[in-house]
Amino acid sequence: EPEVTQTPSHQVTQMGQEVILRCVPISNHLYFYWYRQILGQKVEFLVSFYNNEISEKSEIFDDQFSVERPDGSNFTLKIRSTKLEDSAMYFCASRNRGQTEAFFGQGTRLTVV
Amino acid sequence: AQSVTQPDIHITVSEGASLELRCNYSYGATPYLFWYVQSPGQGLQLLLKYFSGDTLVQGIKGFEAEFKRSQSSFNLRKPSVHWSDAAEYFCAVGATAGFQKLVFGTGTRLLVSP
Repeated sequence: EPEVTQTPSHQVTQMGQEVILRCVPISNHLYFYWYRQILGQKVEFLVSFYNNEISEKSEIFDDQFSVERPDGSNFTLKIRSTKLEDSAMYFCASRNRGQTEAFFGQGTRLTVV
Repeated sequence: AQSVTQPDIHITVSEGASLELRCNYSYGATPYLFWYVQSPGQGLQLLLKYFSGDTLVQGIKGFEAEFKRSQSSFNLRKPSVHWSDAAEYFCAVGATAGFQKLVFGTGTRLLVSP
């Protein structure tokens, strides 16, 4: 069964460093999303991406964040200068046209120290 | 704006007993509604969804949910809980227009006692 794959599963980075979280969405999907879940809190929408551009973003998704689909299979989230409060589980999701549900990856746990 | 409330942070149920997890939503029209489950160290797995039609929807693992427009609710139920159902359960509402971002509730952690 096709699935969304995220790498790495856990990343530790120093404050101020850049980090790239990687996702391989399901191959024929057209809509891509990043969500995050700070420990003990709810899952929050960050950004949606369609047709090679951001379609919607939340107030969390400030200038420190960027997304990219560098090739036909990967979808990345970059945090330019990480802060302690960026520590969270980051989920990638994808959806196909005509589908109502998004499929989520296993998540990347980012720890900023 | 969309919002979801899950009033129960933790629920403990005995194995074999029935389960109901509450979810209330706020949305201007009939939304898309979802229940996701997150087992420890795992991602989010879709249990079931509602977007139109029959208000009682069946999902995987023996779960069902009922959409009640008058109460703005979408409660999740299971007639007999198994120990493997212990997990965190998230209700989410999706916009029916645009790019369908999801707004999640704060989650309910289900504990199953022997």
